[in-house]
Amino acid sequence: EIVLTQSPGTLSLSPGERVTLSCRASHHVNNNYLAWYNQKPGQAPRLLIFAASTRATGIPDRFSAYGSGTDFTLTINRLEPEDFAVYYCHQYGSSPRTFGQGTKLEIK
Amino acid sequence: QVELVESGGGVVQPARSLRLSCAASGFTFSSFGMHWVRQAPGKGLEWVAVISYDGSNVDYGDSVKGRFVISRDNSKDTLYLQMTSLRPEDTAIYYCAKDPGPYGTYAFDVWGQGTMVTVSS
Repeated sequence: EIVLTQSPGTLSLSPGERVTLSCRASHHVNNNYLAWYNQKPGQAPRLLIFAASTRATGIPDRFSAYGSGTDFTLTINRLEPEDFAVYYCHQYGSSPRTFGQGTKLEIK
Repeated sequence: QVELVESGGGVVQPARSLRLSCAASGFTFSSFGMHWVRQAPGKGLEWVAVISYDGSNVDYGDSVKGRFVISRDNSKDTLYLQMTSLRPEDTAIYYCAKDPGPYGTYAFDVWGQGTMVTVSS
């Protein structure tokens, strides 16, 4: 099983700032099948990024992601109030699919 | 619009069974793989199971293998999760999620709002 470790656990930032979240895999992620989701309290997760760097439909271009192999990042430029949420990475390149433990992005 | 609506959650005693349903609309259900994903209270996400577009291929997470069965009825546009031998650690919100491909090999592009399952005596 591939273990995904996200860092940091929590980030306190202000709207307008830029943030980079990290996701490190214990083993190589096949085909760079790595996705990012965010989740707000009481809501279902929402797909942001798939295949390590491709934005999902309707996701604004202030979200960008990079990485391959075992190291992946998600960057959000010019944070908007609606971006404050928990962010999860997810590998779907091998079974069982696994998620990181999440990074909470909170308003300072 | 594309929508997934889960139902069937509730409070159940340990060792009992429960069946969850997920009604799909707004897309050709029979063309896409489908998943169940769960989230224990205050915790992260855990993938539970996947089924291919025609039901011929399924796979499960280790924690539910042998106890849960995923199935689908394409004539009713509905996904199911039959849960047996339930344990307190199965307590979670259960989400159904759509895969953009037929075999359930990609990321989850649409999620339902979830149904809560509580396993407690």
